[in-house]
Amino acid sequence: KAGVTQTPRYLIKTRGQQVTLSCSPISGHRSVSWYQQTPGQGLQFLFEYFSETQRNKGNFPGRFSGRQFSNSRSEMNVSTLELGDSALYLCASRGLGGYTFGSGTRLTVV
Amino acid sequence: QKEVEQDPGPLSVPEGAIVSLNCTYSNSAFQYFMWYRQYSRKGPELLMYTYSSGNKEDGRFTAQVDKSSKYISLFIRDSQPSDSATYLCATHGGSGNTGKLIFGQGTTLQVKP
Repeated sequence: KAGVTQTPRYLIKTRGQQVTLSCSPISGHRSVSWYQQTPGQGLQFLFEYFSETQRNKGNFPGRFSGRQFSNSRSEMNVSTLELGDSALYLCASRGLGGYTFGSGTRLTVV
Repeated sequence: QKEVEQDPGPLSVPEGAIVSLNCTYSNSAFQYFMWYRQYSRKGPELLMYTYSSGNKEDGRFTAQVDKSSKYISLFIRDSQPSDSATYLCATHGGSGNTGKLIFGQGTTLQVKP
């Protein structure tokens, strides 16, 4: 079966711009979580969506936002990009067997 | 203090060795524990998912949870060069927080042929 699909795989943006990342969960999974991974901070939870509702939120500024659509696909948006936002952004979908991660979107802010 | 502590390594072992990876956690409310393996440029891949104290075995991998000491371990028997990766422990607090995984820093493992 298809896994978690994240697009795009790589992205380069300029400081001050905004970016939208996409995640398609495993078919039938209704919960999607987003994480930021950096060498210094490791994997940090951003937010979780379930049936189009944000159910949990991590300690990130309001520049980070997300949404989920009726087909469970999710997007996250980062506005006014800063150099420190450069990271691997991972999404995970949750099923009975646990959490399955996508390969991530590597965002570089220059 | 981080909620989940993990020695980042790196850890280097010869092929065939038994590898022991460990994490400690601070919150006794954590009940579900996971081990993920992450290869370079890939997302984390779930290896083991355990609940509460005890052992769980899957092939060459054994996960161990000791809730009394808030200590979790992953043992890899007969390690292979293909096991070279970063291993991440993770936990969550159960209902109400199931979507929020809390990760350790990850331990980088190299298995030398």
